[in-house]
Amino acid sequence: LAKTTQPISMDSYEGQEVNITCSHNNIATNDYITWYQQFPSQGPRFIIQGYKTKVTNEVASLFIPADRKSSTLSLPRVSLSDTAVYYCLVGDSTGRRALTFGSGTRLQVQP
Amino acid sequence: KAGVTQTPRYLIKTRGQQVTLSCSPISGHRSVSWYQQTPGQGLQFLFEYFSETQRNKGNFPGRFSGRQFSNSRSEMNVSTLELGDSALYLCASSLEPLGRAYEQYFGPGTRLTVT
Repeated sequence: LAKTTQPISMDSYEGQEVNITCSHNNIATNDYITWYQQFPSQGPRFIIQGYKTKVTNEVASLFIPADRKSSTLSLPRVSLSDTAVYYCLVGDSTGRRALTFGSGTRLQVQP
Repeated sequence: KAGVTQTPRYLIKTRGQQVTLSCSPISGHRSVSWYQQTPGQGLQFLFEYFSETQRNKGNFPGRFSGRQFSNSRSEMNVSTLELGDSALYLCASSLEPLGRAYEQYFGPGTRLTVT
Protein backbone atom coordinates (compact mmCIF):
# COMPACT_ATOMS: atom_id res chain seq x y z
CA LEU A 1 0.00 0.00 0.00
CA ALA A 2 1.50 3.31 -1.09
CA LYS A 3 1.68 5.56 1.97
CA THR A 4 1.65 9.28 1.30
CA THR A 5 3.39 12.02 3.26
CA GLN A 6 2.49 15.67 2.93
CA PRO A 7 3.31 18.81 4.93
CA ILE A 8 0.74 19.33 7.66
CA SER A 9 0.19 22.99 6.82
CA MET A 10 1.29 25.78 4.51
CA ASP A 11 0.72 29.51 4.45
CA SER A 12 0.56 31.75 1.41
CA TYR A 13 -0.67 35.12 0.26
CA GLU A 14 -3.18 35.98 -2.41
CA GLY A 15 -1.72 36.03 -5.90
CA GLN A 16 1.18 33.72 -5.11
CA GLU A 17 1.84 30.32 -6.63
CA VAL A 18 1.59 27.47 -4.14
CA ASN A 19 3.34 24.15 -4.55
CA ILE A 20 2.37 21.25 -2.31
CA THR A 21 4.57 18.17 -2.50
CA CYS A 22 3.49 14.67 -1.64
CA SER A 23 5.92 11.85 -1.03
CA HIS A 24 4.91 8.30 -2.02
CA ASN A 25 8.12 6.29 -1.95
CA ASN A 26 6.60 2.85 -2.45
CA ILE A 27 4.29 3.74 -5.32
CA ALA A 28 3.70 0.81 -7.64
CA THR A 29 4.23 0.87 -11.38
CA ASN A 30 0.61 1.31 -12.38
CA ASP A 31 -0.60 3.48 -9.51
CA TYR A 32 -2.36 6.78 -10.20
CA ILE A 33 -1.75 9.99 -8.28
CA THR A 34 -4.82 12.06 -7.50
CA TRP A 35 -5.36 15.28 -5.57
CA TYR A 36 -8.47 16.45 -3.80
CA GLN A 37 -9.48 19.69 -2.09
CA GLN A 38 -11.75 19.82 0.92
CA PHE A 39 -13.48 22.77 2.57
CA PRO A 40 -14.85 22.51 6.12
CA SER A 41 -18.10 20.56 6.39
CA GLN A 42 -18.01 19.55 2.73
CA GLY A 43 -16.99 16.46 0.83
CA PRO A 44 -13.65 16.48 -1.01
CA ARG A 45 -13.53 17.88 -4.53
CA PHE A 46 -11.44 16.30 -7.29
CA ILE A 47 -8.67 18.59 -8.53
CA ILE A 48 -6.37 16.64 -10.80
CA GLN A 49 -4.99 13.20 -11.54
CA GLY A 50 -1.83 11.99 -13.23
CA TYR A 51 0.37 9.02 -13.90
CA LYS A 52 3.66 10.57 -15.00
CA THR A 53 5.29 13.81 -16.20
CA LYS A 54 2.99 16.82 -16.10
CA VAL A 55 -0.75 17.28 -16.19
CA THR A 56 -2.50 20.63 -16.33
CA ASN A 57 -6.14 21.64 -16.16
CA GLU A 58 -7.96 24.91 -15.62
CA VAL A 59 -7.41 24.76 -11.88
CA ALA A 60 -3.96 23.31 -11.22
CA SER A 61 -0.90 21.51 -12.51
CA LEU A 62 0.52 18.24 -11.33
CA PHE A 63 4.22 17.54 -11.68
CA ILE A 64 5.46 13.96 -11.38
CA PRO A 65 9.21 13.22 -11.69
CA ALA A 66 10.49 10.22 -13.57
CA ASP A 67 10.91 8.05 -10.46
CA ARG A 68 7.32 8.87 -9.39
CA LYS A 69 8.28 8.78 -5.72
CA SER A 70 6.78 12.21 -5.21
CA SER A 71 4.39 14.58 -6.89
CA THR A 72 3.76 18.31 -6.66
CA LEU A 73 0.43 20.04 -6.92
CA SER A 74 0.84 23.58 -8.20
CA LEU A 75 -1.88 26.17 -7.66
CA PRO A 76 -1.25 29.34 -9.67
CA ARG A 77 -2.15 32.70 -8.15
CA VAL A 78 -4.10 31.49 -5.13
CA SER A 79 -6.99 33.44 -3.67
CA LEU A 80 -8.62 33.42 -0.25
CA SER A 81 -11.11 30.86 -1.51
CA ASP A 82 -8.28 28.35 -2.01
CA THR A 83 -7.93 28.06 1.77
CA ALA A 84 -8.69 24.38 2.30
CA VAL A 85 -7.18 20.99 3.03
CA TYR A 86 -5.47 19.30 0.09
CA TYR A 87 -5.15 15.52 -0.06
CA CYS A 88 -2.77 13.47 -2.14
CA LEU A 89 -4.04 10.02 -2.96
CA VAL A 90 -2.33 7.07 -4.60
CA GLY A 91 -4.61 4.47 -6.14
CA ASP A 92 -3.78 1.23 -7.91
CA SER A 93 -4.92 0.45 -11.43
CA THR A 94 -7.05 -2.49 -10.34
CA GLY A 95 -8.97 -0.56 -7.72
CA ARG A 96 -8.71 -3.60 -5.48
CA ARG A 97 -6.50 -2.03 -2.85
CA ALA A 98 -8.28 0.05 -0.24
CA LEU A 99 -7.76 3.72 -0.92
CA THR A 100 -5.67 5.65 1.55
CA PHE A 101 -6.04 9.36 2.06
CA GLY A 102 -3.13 10.90 3.92
CA SER A 103 -3.44 13.52 6.60
CA GLY A 104 -3.69 16.26 4.03
CA THR A 105 -2.10 19.70 3.86
CA ARG A 106 -3.98 22.61 5.38
CA LEU A 107 -3.38 25.61 3.13
CA GLN A 108 -4.09 29.03 4.60
CA VAL A 109 -4.19 31.90 2.12
CA GLN A 110 -3.97 35.38 3.60
CA PRO A 111 -4.79 38.72 1.99
CA LYS B 1 -26.66 17.61 -13.63
CA ALA B 2 -27.55 17.03 -10.00
CA GLY B 3 -24.67 16.19 -7.69
CA VAL B 4 -24.34 13.34 -5.25
CA THR B 5 -27.04 13.48 -2.61
CA GLN B 6 -26.94 11.91 0.81
CA THR B 7 -29.73 11.47 3.31
CA PRO B 8 -30.13 12.22 6.06
CA ARG B 9 -27.66 15.07 6.54
CA TYR B 10 -27.63 14.76 10.31
CA LEU B 11 -28.44 11.89 12.59
CA ILE B 12 -28.26 11.24 16.31
CA LYS B 13 -28.37 7.65 17.52
CA THR B 14 -27.80 5.80 20.77
CA ARG B 15 -25.16 3.17 21.39
CA GLY B 16 -26.33 -0.26 20.35
CA GLN B 17 -28.76 0.98 17.73
CA GLN B 18 -28.31 0.55 14.03
CA VAL B 19 -28.39 3.12 11.27
CA THR B 20 -28.89 3.19 7.51
CA LEU B 21 -27.50 5.97 5.37
CA SER B 22 -28.49 6.58 1.78
CA CYS B 23 -26.58 7.87 -1.23
CA SER B 24 -27.83 8.78 -4.69
CA PRO B 25 -24.98 9.06 -7.19
CA ILE B 26 -24.74 11.41 -10.13
CA SER B 27 -26.91 10.19 -12.97
CA GLY B 28 -25.00 7.71 -15.08
CA HIS B 29 -22.39 6.95 -12.43
CA ARG B 30 -22.27 3.29 -11.52
CA SER B 31 -19.53 3.32 -8.91
CA VAL B 32 -20.33 4.38 -5.37
CA SER B 33 -17.76 4.50 -2.58
CA TRP B 34 -18.22 5.21 1.10
CA TYR B 35 -15.80 6.94 3.45
CA GLN B 36 -15.68 7.72 7.13
CA GLN B 37 -14.09 10.97 8.25
CA THR B 38 -13.13 11.72 11.84
CA PRO B 39 -10.75 14.29 13.32
CA GLY B 40 -8.53 11.57 14.70
CA GLN B 41 -8.38 9.09 11.81
CA GLY B 42 -8.98 11.39 8.86
CA LEU B 43 -10.63 10.10 5.70
CA GLN B 44 -10.91 6.32 5.65
CA PHE B 45 -12.23 4.18 2.82
CA LEU B 46 -15.09 1.87 3.77
CA PHE B 47 -16.08 0.13 0.54
CA GLU B 48 -16.88 0.52 -3.13
CA TYR B 49 -19.81 -0.80 -5.08
CA PHE B 50 -20.01 -1.10 -8.83
CA SER B 51 -22.93 -2.64 -10.68
CA GLU B 52 -24.40 -3.87 -7.40
CA THR B 53 -21.22 -5.74 -6.43
CA GLN B 54 -18.81 -4.83 -3.67
CA ARG B 55 -15.41 -4.51 -5.31
CA ASN B 56 -13.29 -3.47 -2.40
CA LYS B 57 -13.50 -3.04 1.33
CA GLY B 58 -11.45 -1.05 3.80
CA ASN B 59 -10.32 -2.15 7.22
CA PHE B 60 -13.59 -1.85 9.11
CA PRO B 61 -15.43 -4.41 11.23
CA GLY B 62 -18.32 -6.41 9.86
CA ARG B 63 -20.77 -4.07 11.61
CA PHE B 64 -20.28 -1.83 8.59
CA SER B 65 -22.04 -3.09 5.51
CA GLY B 66 -23.48 -1.72 2.35
CA ARG B 67 -25.37 -2.50 -0.77
CA GLN B 68 -26.11 -1.03 -4.14
CA PHE B 69 -29.35 -1.17 -6.04
CA SER B 70 -29.92 -1.60 -9.76
CA ASN B 71 -30.38 2.16 -10.17
CA SER B 72 -26.90 2.64 -8.59
CA ARG B 73 -28.28 4.14 -5.42
CA SER B 74 -26.43 2.83 -2.40
CA GLU B 75 -27.08 2.35 1.27
CA MET B 76 -24.66 1.90 4.12
CA ASN B 77 -25.62 0.21 7.35
CA VAL B 78 -23.89 0.27 10.70
CA SER B 79 -25.17 -2.13 13.32
CA THR B 80 -24.61 -2.08 17.06
CA LEU B 81 -23.40 1.50 17.06
CA GLU B 82 -20.44 2.50 19.22
CA LEU B 83 -19.42 5.94 20.39
CA GLY B 84 -16.42 5.76 18.05
CA ASP B 85 -18.72 5.52 15.05
CA SER B 86 -19.53 9.20 15.41
CA ALA B 87 -18.22 10.68 12.20
CA LEU B 88 -18.97 12.31 8.90
CA TYR B 89 -19.90 9.60 6.41
CA LEU B 90 -19.20 10.55 2.85
CA CYS B 91 -20.40 8.96 -0.31
CA ALA B 92 -18.65 9.44 -3.64
CA SER B 93 -19.67 8.41 -7.12
CA SER B 94 -17.70 7.96 -10.31
CA LEU B 95 -18.35 6.97 -13.88
CA GLU B 96 -15.78 4.21 -13.86
CA PRO B 97 -14.89 1.79 -11.09
CA LEU B 98 -11.94 2.75 -8.94
CA GLY B 99 -8.77 1.69 -10.66
CA ARG B 100 -9.68 2.95 -14.10
CA ALA B 101 -9.76 6.46 -12.69
CA TYR B 102 -10.00 8.13 -9.35
CA GLU B 103 -12.09 11.14 -10.31
CA GLN B 104 -14.81 10.86 -7.73
CA TYR B 105 -17.60 13.26 -6.88
CA PHE B 106 -18.40 13.48 -3.21
CA GLY B 107 -21.69 14.22 -1.55
CA PRO B 108 -22.09 16.60 1.41
CA GLY B 109 -21.98 13.77 3.88
CA THR B 110 -24.11 12.52 6.75
CA ARG B 111 -23.02 13.69 10.18
CA LEU B 112 -23.68 10.80 12.58
CA THR B 113 -23.50 11.36 16.31
CA VAL B 114 -23.68 8.38 18.63
CA THR B 115 -24.53 9.09 22.26
